[in-house]
Amino acid sequence: ETGVTQTPRHLVMGMTNKKSLKCEQHLGHNAMYWYKQSAKKPLELMFVYSLEERVENNSVPSRFSPECPNSSHLFLHLHTLQPEDSALYLCASSPGTVGDQETQYFGPGTRLLVL
Amino acid sequence: AQTVTQSQPEMSVQEAETVTLSCTYDTSESDYYLFWYKQPPSRQMILVIRQEAYKQQNATENRFSVNFQKAAKSFSLKISDSQLGDAAMYFCAYRRGETSGSRLTFGEGTQLTVNP
Repeated sequence: ETGVTQTPRHLVMGMTNKKSLKCEQHLGHNAMYWYKQSAKKPLELMFVYSLEERVENNSVPSRFSPECPNSSHLFLHLHTLQPEDSALYLCASSPGTVGDQETQYFGPGTRLLVL
Repeated sequence: AQTVTQSQPEMSVQEAETVTLSCTYDTSESDYYLFWYKQPPSRQMILVIRQEAYKQQNATENRFSVNFQKAAKSFSLKISDSQLGDAAMYFCAYRRGETSGSRLTFGEGTQLTVNP
């Protein structure tokens, strides 16, 4: 395991449920990311936070709501999801600097199934 | 917009042999970074190797090396002395330089099988 952890690792939810995904990084990084990974598709960047401010939102439906209370924690709140939202959700963090050391490190992911 | 293409959805290699995974990208930028990530069946994405576009020398990390052809916009990964633990999905990724918190653009991935 790297210094990025995610919970839960697996989640099954109905379309009317509300759940949250949690990501925590122990690397002292300033930037955090949410990605969606679906089968046979490239990773899709959903949100980017830098120093706890959202700096990128890639046209993600409002049923996904991110929260970054501090530079070590990132949440993804889920409500009224659709079956097509079933995927692996990956969290990543990076130093948030400019230059060679700006590399993203990934968590193990949460496998989400929406019924 | 930048794009990353991995034209080999699947590759296989015999244990102890060498395999090369292909990646091409399209960009109008001159300053950027390229990455290869490995995602084993456990799903943890791990950085394998990184190349700075301004460096002419190809990056190497133990058994992993890249062939970076900037003019051709090609960035292939060579795995020497393949091991069973190398079996994974490999993703090529691109990032613009000089931008903090910058997005990574990923290819579709290449599933590598290592045969004993």
